[in-house]
Amino acid sequence: GAVVSQHPSRVICKSGTSVKIECRSLDFQATTMFWYRQFPKKSLMLMATSNEGSKATYEQGVEKDKFLINHASLTLSTLTVTSAHPEDSSFYICSAKSFSMNTEAFFGQGTRLTVV
Amino acid sequence: GENVEQHPSTLSVQEGDSAVIKCTYSDSASNYFPWYKQELGKRPQLIIDIRSNVGEKKDQRIAVTLNKTAKHFSLHITETQPEDSAVYFCAASGSSTLGRLYFGRGTQLTVWP
Repeated sequence: GAVVSQHPSRVICKSGTSVKIECRSLDFQATTMFWYRQFPKKSLMLMATSNEGSKATYEQGVEKDKFLINHASLTLSTLTVTSAHPEDSSFYICSAKSFSMNTEAFFGQGTRLTVV
Repeated sequence: GENVEQHPSTLSVQEGDSAVIKCTYSDSASNYFPWYKQELGKRPQLIIDIRSNVGEKKDQRIAVTLNKTAKHFSLHITETQPEDSAVYFCAASGSSTLGRLYFGRGTQLTVWP
């Protein structure tokens, strides 16, 4: 199957700082990438949909100024958590999809963010 | 938007027994229904999926059924093994969601040896 790589896998940051998470499709061109947030023992909550070369579409209730998404190329999307606070601590996971492949979206390995 | 409900939230079975997890969805335009298995701290892994043009799909010990009229789909695992223990998520997507997957709440499956 297609490979999606997410980096870093773990990050600890101080309150008030910003953290950037990268999501790369390694062997296919991802026309769309999705960002999810997962709380412990909870489901994956879709945060936003990222299309290459255009603005991301955010789900209701997700602050776009808080969670900045950039999809500058067909193989890379980034999520920046700005001015992070302890309540932003969570597991963030991306998935990438190519509509030309007509298959499921492939998930990155996730990023465990801890804000102290 | 799409709303996916999943039951039960926890399921314990004896090794060798069958396990069934059920999901319902709200958007009649949804046409793709994958099931994911997630082990603790790891990424979700697709285990089986079904599209709305079929009613059932089977892959060895795993099967999925879909009832479009009732808008529900189910995962069936037969001859369960301890390594099947994980959290299972159902999801739905379609043209109305532009490929976005909406997940159920998950089912913690525990298979006792």
